[in-house]
Amino acid sequence: GQQVMQIPQYQHVQEGEDFTTYCNSSTTLSNIQWYKQRPGGHPVFLIQLVKSGEVKKQKRLTFQFGEAKKNSSLHITATQTTDVGTYFCADQKTSYDKVIFGPGTSLSVIP
Amino acid sequence: DTAVSQTPKYLVTQMGNDKSIKCEQNLGHDTMYWYKQDSKKFLKIMFSYNNKELIINETVPNRFSPKSPDKAHLNLHINSLELGDSAVYFCASSQPLGATSVVYNEQFFGPGTRLTVL
Repeated sequence: GQQVMQIPQYQHVQEGEDFTTYCNSSTTLSNIQWYKQRPGGHPVFLIQLVKSGEVKKQKRLTFQFGEAKKNSSLHITATQTTDVGTYFCADQKTSYDKVIFGPGTSLSVIP
Repeated sequence: DTAVSQTPKYLVTQMGNDKSIKCEQNLGHDTMYWYKQDSKKFLKIMFSYNNKELIINETVPNRFSPKSPDKAHLNLHINSLELGDSAVYFCASSQPLGATSVVYNEQFFGPGTRLTVL
């Protein structure tokens, strides 16, 4: 079956440094969703990418969808302590299919 | 107002017991889910219901039985609890846009229920 992978598994950065997490799929992605889970919290939707090569920005966060729709990335510029958490990518083939989550990248920010 | 709520937030119980977790959403969504998140943060879908009907049933032991009395509620009953059932269980809901749509609405997660089996 489809596998969604993410690297790195963990990342520790100094506050102010940039951070990137990469999401790769063994099959072509229909769309990619990104979620953030704060420590002790629940996953919260960040964004959805649908088109090949799509780039979207949310303040310091930049999301990219690969041209072949088999990978995606999330880049955070100048990390802050509020960015701490686990970032998940997810794929869903159709509205009634299961959502397949990647294993997540846990980000720690050292003040 | 809470969009997706779960009770209880914490559940500590002995091996062999039976327990239930309740979930309610006030978003008017048609689809609800149960996820299990293990100690390594891996999120795995267990069940999905659309308008009270089971549409996704992953490889989950039959000790787990979901029930959806109406489309706003999805409960999870677990029989004969085992140590390996310890995890955080998340309920979620979403509104599907149609079987052929390539744009899907996000999933709204509840706060989670941390289950500890002793």
